[in-house]
Amino acid sequence: KQEVTQIPAALSVPEGENLVLNCSFTDSAIYNLQWFRQDPGKGLTSLLLIQSSQREQTSGRLNASLDKSSGRSTLYIAASQPGDSATYLCAVLGAGSYQLTFGKGTKLSVIP
Amino acid sequence: GAVVSQHPSWVICKSGTSVKIECRSLDFQATTMFWYRQFPKQSLMLMATSNEGSKATYEQGVEKDKFLINHASLTLSTLTVTSAHPEDSSFYICSAHRPRQSNTEAFFGQGTRLTVV
Repeated sequence: KQEVTQIPAALSVPEGENLVLNCSFTDSAIYNLQWFRQDPGKGLTSLLLIQSSQREQTSGRLNASLDKSSGRSTLYIAASQPGDSATYLCAVLGAGSYQLTFGKGTKLSVIP
Repeated sequence: GAVVSQHPSWVICKSGTSVKIECRSLDFQATTMFWYRQFPKQSLMLMATSNEGSKATYEQGVEKDKFLINHASLTLSTLTVTSAHPEDSSFYICSAHRPRQSNTEAFFGQGTRLTVV
């Protein structure tokens, strides 16, 4: 059974800092990995999708990497802003499945 | 813009009544949609997989008679919470997967906050 772990559970940084969020998964047989953002009381917004054959994806100040063999992914946020404050969720899509397995998320607070 | 739309965003109902939540894929057809439940400060818990034209597949521990799912078209799935009780109060989110290149990307609705009083 796939298990996804996110570290840290919470993170507080001053505005302008670069930061890294970590995600690990136990079963490397995945189709893809997605990073989502969730604001309080809201749904999930897809940030980046990395296919199993890819090693990284970039969108603006966000960069996500994937090391499938070691079961790890990182989300790098450059020059953090208060508007980046949210919970970030990592989810993997298992090979041969349409079901996503989520981590518990990292709650990020960017202090002005 | 939104790829998956969920309605309503919040609802308050009396104990014993039923509530219907809609999930629509806006610019693609989704033969499969997913319904999740999220408790405070917890991650998403998959409740059921909604299959267009056939019965939904429920996760272990989810009462299919309580959480009725209908997926009558390729763009619409509904979740009906029947005879709601206060313990059903939660945040419900739907998702659909849109094909992207040779892979698939999951998109989520805005979520529905259900409060049963």
